[in-house]
Amino acid sequence: DTGVSQDPRHKITKRGQNVTFRCDPISEHNRLYWYRQTLGQGPEFLTYFQNEAQLEKSRLLSDRFSAERPKGSFSTLEIQRTEQGDSAMYLCASSLAETSVDTQYFGPGTRLTVL
Amino acid sequence: GNSVTQMEGPVTLSEEAFLTINCTYTATGYPSLFWYVQYPGEGLQLLLKATKADDKGSNKGFEATYRKETTSFHLEKGSVQVSDSAVYFCALMSGGTSYGKLTFGQGTILTVHP
Repeated sequence: DTGVSQDPRHKITKRGQNVTFRCDPISEHNRLYWYRQTLGQGPEFLTYFQNEAQLEKSRLLSDRFSAERPKGSFSTLEIQRTEQGDSAMYLCASSLAETSVDTQYFGPGTRLTVL
Repeated sequence: GNSVTQMEGPVTLSEEAFLTINCTYTATGYPSLFWYVQYPGEGLQLLLKATKADDKGSNKGFEATYRKETTSFHLEKGSVQVSDSAVYFCALMSGGTSYGKLTFGQGTILTVHP
C-alpha cells in the first residue's frame, strides 16, 4: 500500500506528558498537511509544509505544538505538556504541488486520548 | 472567513432510496469544492470535486454540482446501498491561493438499512 501512513494509530497519555506522532506521505508528494478532528466535527487545519518548509500555522497550533518535516519526506507533530483538550484525532494529508487542484490524500489518523 | 455548513444528521435511509445531503458555503473568491467520505475505521477519502461554477463532480454514483448563485454543493445519489453507510464531509479550498488548506463542514452521518 502506498498511501499516507501514520504512527501510532492510537495514543493514550497522561496530562502533562509529551507525545510525538509521525506521518509518512505518499512518496512523490511534496505538500504535507496536519489537521485535527474532534468528535462530531470536521477536520480543522493545523499546519502546512511544502517540502521541508513550514509555510503556514493555524492559530489553533499553540506554543505547545511543533511540527517538523526535516528532509521533506516524513513529518512529526509533537505536543508538549498535553492537556485534556488536546484529545482528538490528528490527521495527516499529502498532495502533489504540480496538479491544478491541490487534491489531498489523508492518512488513517492518530487518535490521542489525554487522561 | 471561509465556512461550510452541512445539513444536520444523522440521515437514515432504506437501501435503494434517494440521497441528498445539503452543503452551503461562504468563501472569498472562487473556491474549489469537495466531498470526502469516511467509512468506519478508515481515513478520509476524496469522493468527488468541482473546481468552478456549474461543474459537476461525480464518482461511484454520487454527484454534486457547484452552484455559485446559491453557494451550494449538494451531494446526491439515486439509489443508496448499505455499503454507503459512512460520514460525509463537504469541504472547500480557497481560490487564489497556491496551496490547498481545506475548510470542512461538520460532517453528516449516513446509515443505510437493508
